[in-house]
Amino acid sequence: GDSVTQTKGPVTLSEGTSLTVNCSYETKQYPTLFWYVQYPGEGPQLLFKVPKANEKGSNRGFEATYDKGTTSFHLQKASVQESDSAVYYCVLGDQGGSAKLIFGEGTKLTVSS
Amino acid sequence: GGIITQTPKFLIGQEGQKLTLKCQQNFNHDTMYWYRQDSGKGLRLIYYSITENDLQKGDLSEGYDASREKKSSFSLTVTSAQKNEMAVFLCASSIWGISQNTLYFGAGTRLSVL
Repeated sequence: GDSVTQTKGPVTLSEGTSLTVNCSYETKQYPTLFWYVQYPGEGPQLLFKVPKANEKGSNRGFEATYDKGTTSFHLQKASVQESDSAVYYCVLGDQGGSAKLIFGEGTKLTVSS
Repeated sequence: GGIITQTPKFLIGQEGQKLTLKCQQNFNHDTMYWYRQDSGKGLRLIYYSITENDLQKGDLSEGYDASREKKSSFSLTVTSAQKNEMAVFLCASSIWGISQNTLYFGAGTRLSVL
């Protein structure tokens, strides 16, 4: 079945350093890929989504490229800030007409000043 | 913009008790979802409803019932609370039921069972 595997946290970084959260997926479909972010005390919210292979999504300095060849969708940011501390979820949405999404386990990021 | 309101924010129950969680959305979205969030396990789908009067089981439906009372509201019932259970239940909605669409989440109901 479909699955998503992402960097197992927690990840702790200093402000100004770079971030990579790895995400790999398995599916026989042609999915839309998402990154959601969840701040403490809130529900997850969309960071960005990419519906097509070989395209890049970005928002708030975060970016990820939908790589169909390596079945990956790694999240990157060049310089993290304390306000980026949150849990990040890589999510797969199949295009088979289903309303179901597959969430990765989440990666908790803590950024210290 | 819109909002998803989950009530209650915190729920403390007794073992074996039937507990009901409620969710309201004012996006006018067709599709609504209930997810369970456990530490280190991501989000797991319990039930979803494509449109009013529809109900679909997710991967974690055993031990739960759901009800889509009207387009704007979706309730989840824990049929028999398990001792020492702790989890966050998240309600979400999307404009309509295909997985390419963005989900909008509520802040969650935190359940503790004594």
